Amino acid sequence: ETGVTQTPRHLVMGMTNKKSLKCEQHLGHNAMYWYKQSAKKPLELMFVYNFKEQTENNSVPSRFSPECPNSSHLFLHLHTLQPEDSALYLCASSQVETGERLYEQYFGPGTRLTVT
Amino acid sequence: AQSVAQPEDQVNVAEGNPLTVKCTYSVSGNPYLFWYVQYPNRGLQFLLKYITGDNLVKGSYGFEAEFNKSQTSFHLKKPSALVSDSALYFCAVRDPTGAGSYQLTFGKGTKLSVIP
Repeated sequence: ETGVTQTPRHLVMGMTNKKSLKCEQHLGHNAMYWYKQSAKKPLELMFVYNFKEQTENNSVPSRFSPECPNSSHLFLHLHTLQPEDSALYLCASSQVETGERLYEQYFGPGTRLTVT
Repeated sequence: AQSVAQPEDQVNVAEGNPLTVKCTYSVSGNPYLFWYVQYPNRGLQFLLKYITGDNLVKGSYGFEAEFNKSQTSFHLKKPSALVSDSALYFCAVRDPTGAGSYQLTFGKGTKLSVIP
């Protein structure tokens, strides 16, 4: 799992706190993603960045704020979260697709977030 | 809209027996299909993908999947299960006609337990 790393692995925060999740990929990819994984629900795509530019935002509440300073790093800034935001947050990366070439995504181990 | 269904929340199989994890999909065009596996406290790992060509796709760890267009299915199979195959398996689909969209739609996952 050294290809995509995420820190912290576990995070407990109150509803008034501000925290950030960090993701780093060592695979030379140019696309990065944030997903939310909740119990008994499918993975939900939150954000997509290609070459540091955000290309997708799947109606995610503004209390989640992504940042992609370069192709290797991705952050998810959190503030005034709700208990229902407790979940596993997964980061992924891939090559940017060109033409008909489709590349699979590589996932990090995730950050287990608990909002109290 | 694209969707994926994994009809079984859990599959139990004896070690050494063949295993099948089911997946059906719905897309407007020709699908791109993926299988991922998630071990406890780990991120998702790519197993295999179908883009075009041979309906039988071979992937990592001895897994394979068969694309069946008429039944809109992409079941994951392995001839002889190992205890170490016990994990959570996710099927995912992408509609390539969604230009510029990188959205993978995941199923809810199927927990595979291989019994010694």
